[in-house]
Amino acid sequence: KAGVTQTPRYLIKTRGQQVTLSCSPISGHRSVSWYQQTPGQGLQFLFEYFSETQRNKGNFPGRFSGRQFSNSRSEMNVSTLELGDSALYLCASSSRTQGFYEQYFGPGTRLTVT
Amino acid sequence: SQELEQSPQSLIVQEGKNLTINCTSSKTLYGLYWYKQKYGEGLIFLMMLQKGGEEKSHEKITAKLDEKKQQSSLHITASQPSHAGIYLCGADGGAQKLVFGQGTRLTINP
Repeated sequence: KAGVTQTPRYLIKTRGQQVTLSCSPISGHRSVSWYQQTPGQGLQFLFEYFSETQRNKGNFPGRFSGRQFSNSRSEMNVSTLELGDSALYLCASSSRTQGFYEQYFGPGTRLTVT
Repeated sequence: SQELEQSPQSLIVQEGKNLTINCTSSKTLYGLYWYKQKYGEGLIFLMMLQKGGEEKSHEKITAKLDEKKQQSSLHITASQPSHAGIYLCGADGGAQKLVFGQGTRLTINP
C-alpha cells in the first residue's frame, strides 16, 4: 500500500497570505489528523477528521481550518499567515474509528512564512 | 491535560553501544506509541504498547510499558548509524488525538 502523501513538500509564503495544504491518507483509512511541529512547541494536534466530519480540534486560532472529502483526502487552510505559522505540518491517517490505534504519518509540508 | 516528558533530550553514543530513552507521563498511561523522525521529515511508526508490563521488539529496538510508574522505555542494542534520528513517544490524549513528548535526538558516532 502506498503511504500517506502530502503536497506540496515545501512552501514559502508572505505574511498575510493564505495557504492550503493537502493530505492523501493510506487507502482505506478514513481518519485523518493534522499536527503542527515547531522547535519551540514540538508536535501539537490541530484537528482530526473522520468521514468528512471534524471530530476534534486542538487549541489553535480560527485561522486554521480544514476539511475532508468523500475519498478521505484532507486539506488544511491557514489564512492571514503570521511569521509564527512557519512550521512542519504533518498529517496522519488511521483505519480505526475509535480507541487505541496506529497513526501513520506523511512526510510533512515545510511552510516558511516571510 | 496529559504531558509526556522524555529523557534525555539529546544523546550521543558510539556505534555498537546500547542506549535507553525514557518517556514519563503526567497521567496514567493506557497505551503508548514510539515514533522515529529523521530531521525535517515525517514520523515513522516503531511500536505501540497497550498493556502494563508489555514489551515489544523490532530488530534491535525494544520498548517496555510500566503503567505503575507511568513510564515507557525504548532500548537500542548495538546501535548503528541507521538508528540516528529523533525518537518521540506519544500517548492517547483522548478524542482521537495524540500527545507527544518533546523528542530525544540520538546521534551515533562511528
